[in-house]
Order: sequence, then C-alpha cells, then structure tokens
Amino acid sequence: SQQGEEDPQALSIQEGENATMNCSYKTSINNLQWYRQNSGRGLVHLILIRSNEREKHSGRLRVTLDTSKKSSSLLITASRAADTASYFCATDVNTNAGKSTFGDGTTLTVKP
Amino acid sequence: DAGVIQSPRHEVTEMGQEVTLRCKPISGHDYLFWYRQTMMRGLELLIYFNNNVPIDDSGMPEDRFSAKMPNASFSTLKIQPSEPRDSAVYFCASSFFRSPLHFGNGTRLTVT
Repeated sequence: SQQGEEDPQALSIQEGENATMNCSYKTSINNLQWYRQNSGRGLVHLILIRSNEREKHSGRLRVTLDTSKKSSSLLITASRAADTASYFCATDVNTNAGKSTFGDGTTLTVKP
Repeated sequence: DAGVIQSPRHEVTEMGQEVTLRCKPISGHDYLFWYRQTMMRGLELLIYFNNNVPIDDSGMPEDRFSAKMPNASFSTLKIQPSEPRDSAVYFCASSFFRSPLHFGNGTRLTVT
C-alpha cells in the first residue's frame, strides 16, 4: 500500500483563494517532498522538508510537517488558474537509497 | 539541461508484443527510477538503480518486466509479452543522491 495518503482527493477553489492539502504517512521518514503534476506531464518537485524541520516556505508555498502525527500540509496562497494540477506528497524512508514512495495525490482546480 | 528524456511518448501495441521504453537521465545523476502510473493504483515504483546497478526490483509486477541500465546515460524497461493490464503511463526519474526526483514526461502505453 502507498506510504502517503493525500486529503482531500479533489479540491476546487476560486482564483485568489488559498488551497490546503494534507498528507499522512505511516512510518518514520527522513524527508517529505511535494510534487506537482500537470495533465499529461511528469511530476515536478516543489519543496522538500526534512524530518527535523517543522515549516518551510517557497514563494506562495508553505509546507508544514508534524512528525508526531505523521502528517504534512501544503498551503498554496493566492492561487492562480495555473496552479490547477495534481499534487503529490512523497516520503523518503531510507536516506541512503533515496527511494521515495508517493501518495495518491490531490487534484486541485482553480477557477478563474 | 534537457532534463530526463523518455521515448517514445506514446506506444500502442497488441497483446503479446514486446515493448521497450527508453530513458536518458540527467547527466551526473546517480539514481534512476522507473514508475508506473494508473488511475487504479496511482504511482508505483517498479525498480531503481544506483550507479547503474539495480538496487530494488520488488515493484516489478512479473517476470514479463525487465529493466537494464547498461551505462549512466541510458536505461530501458522491457515488457515481453505485453498484456492489456500493462496499459499505463510509465515514468522514468533520476536524482543525485538525496536531491529530489526529476521526472521525464512519461510514455503512455496502450496494449490492445
């Protein structure tokens, strides 16, 4: 079974609103990554947060990590129509191998 | 950098035929991953290599699937014989040690 599970499965908002997606995982991790996938394309890395970090920012993205709850959230502020995509979390449970396990993703639709 | 290059972008074949998917990772990356994405099962790791050596092939569904990495700049995923349930998008990704994954745009395989 997948290590990470995103919630919600689908999210629809208006342009300018904030979008929050959550990811839960099962085992201890070394780091957690968020990726975006536009329709018909490969996944693109957005941000990585290490297990000893609690919050990280990158432009309009804010990621939090709560290792006690085994969960992470991705916040996209002031969303744009171009943010429409699927968002995946991935967990790395073996530092040396660099192997990442992906969740099922959240499909975000931003209406103009 | 051209990124991870996969070919072909689309492949349509008949059941029983051999299919070969190709991948050129980013120069200098020492990890290469093959993933399969379907609506039902999400993104599944099939196999990954480190310095051209297969490290974990536990995700390869059956003996019909095989992967090789003869050198640092080329990898193949072969399905022989192909079956309709193999229809999916196959992604290749590469990374340098702990850095995030860089995905190609995938090969959409349809087996009729």
